[in-house]
Amino acid sequence: GENVEQHPSTLSVQEGDSAVIKCTYSDSASNYFPWYKQELGKGPQLIIDIRSNVGEKKDQRIAVTLNKTAKHFSLHITETQPEDSAVYFCAASLMRRHALNFGKGTSLLVTP
Amino acid sequence: AAGVIQSPRHLIKEKRETATLKCYPIPRHDTVYWYQQGPGQDPQFLISFYEKMQSDKGSIPDRFSAQQFSDYHSELNMSSLELGDSALYFCASSALESNEQFFGPGTRLTVL
Repeated sequence: GENVEQHPSTLSVQEGDSAVIKCTYSDSASNYFPWYKQELGKGPQLIIDIRSNVGEKKDQRIAVTLNKTAKHFSLHITETQPEDSAVYFCAASLMRRHALNFGKGTSLLVTP
Repeated sequence: AAGVIQSPRHLIKEKRETATLKCYPIPRHDTVYWYQQGPGQDPQFLISFYEKMQSDKGSIPDRFSAQQFSDYHSELNMSSLELGDSALYFCASSALESNEQFFGPGTRLTVL
């Protein structure tokens, strides 16, 4: 089955700095790669996603890049704010209506 | 905007008891997914349904069963509960022809 690895497991940055989280996947057939933000006691919140036919996608301070050849994708958060502090999960999926395979998560702490 | 509704939000059961978790998807979403998340872990896919039929199956124990009803809501039935079943259980839903999965707030199950 699909195996998603995520690094780093923890990340601490100062407010205003950028944060980068990286993921690799094993199944070259995976074609959908979402990123979720999870705050304590809450459900995962979809923040951005990318499909295999696109190399980069941006939404305000958040961007995601995908390298299909290397089978890795990354989340970039610019101008970080304390409210960005949360656990971030990457995931990969083979097709619609099928499982999301999650990475182990990155705990991001943004200090004022 | 309407979100995924899960009930109950908290549930406490004894070992060997049964539990039923309910999920009401976002209006006009036709696919539901169930995930289990242990403390400090990533969400693990259990099962998904589309048009009342199972669309994908993950690491769901034989003691668990689930179904989707004609109004698209879903129920996860858990029997012979074990201490290790204590976790957050999330339901997610997606719309026709979409990969995007939107998660509910979760049900926290504690087995004593």
